[in-house]
Amino acid sequence: AQSVTQPDIHITVSEGASLELRCNYSYGATPYLFWYVQSPGQGLQLLLKYFSGDTLVQGIKGFEAEFKRSQSSFNLRKPSVHWSDAAEYFCAVGGSGNTGKLIFGQGTTLQVKP
Amino acid sequence: KAGVTQTPRYLIKTRGQQVTLSCSPISGHRSVSWYQQTPGQGLQFLFEYFSETQRNKGNFPGRFSGRQFSNSRSEMNVSTLELGDSALYLCASSLEAGTGWETQYFGPGTRLLVL
Repeated sequence: AQSVTQPDIHITVSEGASLELRCNYSYGATPYLFWYVQSPGQGLQLLLKYFSGDTLVQGIKGFEAEFKRSQSSFNLRKPSVHWSDAAEYFCAVGGSGNTGKLIFGQGTTLQVKP
Repeated sequence: KAGVTQTPRYLIKTRGQQVTLSCSPISGHRSVSWYQQTPGQGLQFLFEYFSETQRNKGNFPGRFSGRQFSNSRSEMNVSTLELGDSALYLCASSLEAGTGWETQYFGPGTRLLVL
């Protein structure tokens, strides 16, 4: 069965420090992978997505993610975190079949210390 | 272009009542999906509509239903509300359907509280 695991429920980093949020997926075929961010009281905003080609994907707000098939991972990174990055981050996988359904991980809450 | 809009934004109902939530997709988008978000279960897929047809359905009881109109607007209905239906209901739209890589754009959600 398809699944997405985000091992870290909560992460705290200092402003200006680097960030890596982990995501592992389980999917039989080539996955389509997404990272979304949700600020309190808001919907989800797409940060980046991967479906083929270069395994290092650049997104908005200075985020990037790297697809590693051998590790079934799609970790999100940012070199220098800003206080405004505090939010909840969701990794999701979309199927290659006839569906637009997304399967989400449980989310990682990012807290940024001044 | 206006984003995905959902109405109402907040709703309070009592057990046993029914509720209808509305979603207007981004102009030109033909696919609408619905998700339920709760602290315990996270984000779970409810159903997907394309060209007024339900294409996919998640693992929810029959009390949860939806429909899509010819202008791509969508509604979801929950009958006989239970306390556990309290959640944030998110709607997402995309240009097409049936392709897992299609970007879905999410609305702000409707927060439903069942008392």
